[in-house]
Amino acid sequence: QVQLQESGPGLVKPSETLSLTCTVSGGSISSYYWSWIRQPPGKGLEWIGYIYYSGSTNYNPSLKSRVTISVDTSKNQFSLKLSSVTAADTAVYYCAREGVRGVNAWGQGTLVTVSS
Amino acid sequence: SYELTQPPSVSVSPGQTARITCSGDALPKQYAYWYQQKPGQAPVLVIYKDSERPSGIPERFSGSSSGTTVTLTISGVQAEDEADYYCQSADSSGTYPSVFGTGTKVTVL
Repeated sequence: QVQLQESGPGLVKPSETLSLTCTVSGGSISSYYWSWIRQPPGKGLEWIGYIYYSGSTNYNPSLKSRVTISVDTSKNQFSLKLSSVTAADTAVYYCAREGVRGVNAWGQGTLVTVSS
Repeated sequence: SYELTQPPSVSVSPGQTARITCSGDALPKQYAYWYQQKPGQAPVLVIYKDSERPSGIPERFSGSSSGTTVTLTISGVQAEDEADYYCQSADSSGTYPSVFGTGTKVTVL
């Protein structure tokens, strides 16, 4: 059974770049789409974007100018970079596996707080 | 932007039926997915492709589609079904390949 685990700083300063990595275990990253989804405290889910193992990406238009998702198949990892963060980017960030049957595997989520 | 609209809350007594709607212009052309999220936990997929149920999801969860509205039905609601529920879909142009609904809090009375 595939498992996903987010890692990265829990505190980022305003205007800096948020960087998170998701490690996939129990299965190969060389299939499916690999997504980042976030949830501000007390609010709903927001899809950030996904990457296919080949490297093709698709992003939420509202975040596209600030988001980069990359994949390292040799490490079975994929990563998120979100630039020029503000307090509005404070959220629980989930990495997930997405396919034609929906998002069927999620990491536990990691809280990232944007504050000086 | 593309939006999927859900009612903020639904209340239901144990054993009764809860229906949660999700409305969006592209739903006649795009599949919908449903997720259950309990406090402090990651979401769990409960319905995919409008009406298919993943293995391990109880039969009391079902999905349907009619025009621009999809519906998640929970039959014989149990206390453990109290959670937030989100629909997910895409717009028809490809501009928004994945969008989550606004979310519905289901309260079991």
